[in-house]
Amino acid sequence: SQTIHQWPATLVQPVGSPLSLECTVEGTSNPNLYWYRQAAGRGLQLLFYSVGIGQISSEVPQNLSASRPQDRQFILSSKKLLLSDSGFYLCAFLAHRTAGNTEAFFGQGTRLTVV
Amino acid sequence: AQSVTQPDIHITVSEGASLELRCNYSYGATPYLFWYVQSPGQGLQLLLKYFSGDTLVQGIKGFEAEFKRSQSSFNLRKPSVHWSDAAEYFCAVGAMRGGATNKLIFGTGTLLAVQP
Repeated sequence: SQTIHQWPATLVQPVGSPLSLECTVEGTSNPNLYWYRQAAGRGLQLLFYSVGIGQISSEVPQNLSASRPQDRQFILSSKKLLLSDSGFYLCAFLAHRTAGNTEAFFGQGTRLTVV
Repeated sequence: AQSVTQPDIHITVSEGASLELRCNYSYGATPYLFWYVQSPGQGLQLLLKYFSGDTLVQGIKGFEAEFKRSQSSFNLRKPSVHWSDAAEYFCAVGAMRGGATNKLIFGTGTLLAVQP
């Protein structure tokens, strides 16, 4: 079965520290992978998506970056966190990319608090 | 660029009443449309999706949605709301490129409260 793992579940980091959130997918190959940030009143904001290894598309210019070193691994990073980076981060993947059988599956999310 | 608008940030309905959550999209081609629900402290669950064919789509938990191309809308409906339906609902549109879905854009969500 297809599953998605995202960790850690919660994270408290000081301003200026680095960040690394990891997401891995099982049970599928060559998935589309996504990072979203969820903030109250703003819904799910698409941050990055990837259609293949090493292929990253950035939707919103910001203090974050993403990488896809392996087919089923997607990493969200920052060199120096800002207070405004606090939020709830969700990783997702599309089981199929073709029409008629596409559905996004979400990880359980990471609650990041920058202090 | 594609976008999704959910005009209602917060809706309160009485248990047993009907429900309609609005969703409008902007996309140059035929969109792939989704509704997700997020209960407090939980992840997102797919309610239903539309790709082609019948414009009235049935989903889980008694929900349905109707795709109206002329209005660029994909409103979610339920004839009788249950207290357990209290949650946040997200509409999403998938963009296609080369026959494959790439971007998946979500609306800002509608928070549904159910009164006893």
